[in-house]
Amino acid sequence: SQQGEEDPQALSIQEGENATMNCSYKTSINNLQWYRQNSGRGLVHLILIRSNEREKHSGRLRVTLDTSKKSSSLLITASRAADTASYFCATVPSSGTYKYIFGTGTRLKVLA
Amino acid sequence: GAGVSQSPSNKVTEKGKDVELRCDPISGHTALYWYRQSLGQGLEFLIYFQGNSAPDKSGLPSDRFSAERTGGSVSTLTIQRTQQEDSAVYLCASSLNRNTEAFFGQGTRLTVV
Repeated sequence: SQQGEEDPQALSIQEGENATMNCSYKTSINNLQWYRQNSGRGLVHLILIRSNEREKHSGRLRVTLDTSKKSSSLLITASRAADTASYFCATVPSSGTYKYIFGTGTRLKVLA
Repeated sequence: GAGVSQSPSNKVTEKGKDVELRCDPISGHTALYWYRQSLGQGLEFLIYFQGNSAPDKSGLPSDRFSAERTGGSVSTLTIQRTQQEDSAVYLCASSLNRNTEAFFGQGTRLTVV
């Protein structure tokens, strides 16, 4: 399967704590993206990191990319109850068709 | 339009019937994707359209599934002779190109009874 994998599958933390999710993938990539999904419906794009970038920030989000290990991590700092959602990484291959390949997702629960 | 629009939002159909799911992408987006998501699972790739190129159909699970994209815009996913295992949320997304993010519709929840 080309699907990436994320860990942990589920994460429960207290409000104010940091949440870290990891994503591993299999192919060479053009870029890697993180998405958030509430209530099992449409996904919302969070951040995109290109293959030649190692770290990127957006508000309370920090993403790292290690292409040698084919892995990425998403850090959410100072979490809020509203961050409760499922988080998915998606990779765009560097060759072939440019379909987004999604990981299995991490279900984050932030307790108030 | 302002975003990716999918219809219907929910569809309940009897086993053996055909269904059509519609996706209206963001204007100007050349790439269009269909994914399927079963309850609590990740996104399963179905098909990808890019401009006038031949679509990547490698994810379609059986020959009961087909999709077309007319005029480089609206896409229809058709499932013939539906089975209970086809029950899932079908998500459509569009993007400008491979270097940009995908924008998702709210999905169609298909229930086969």
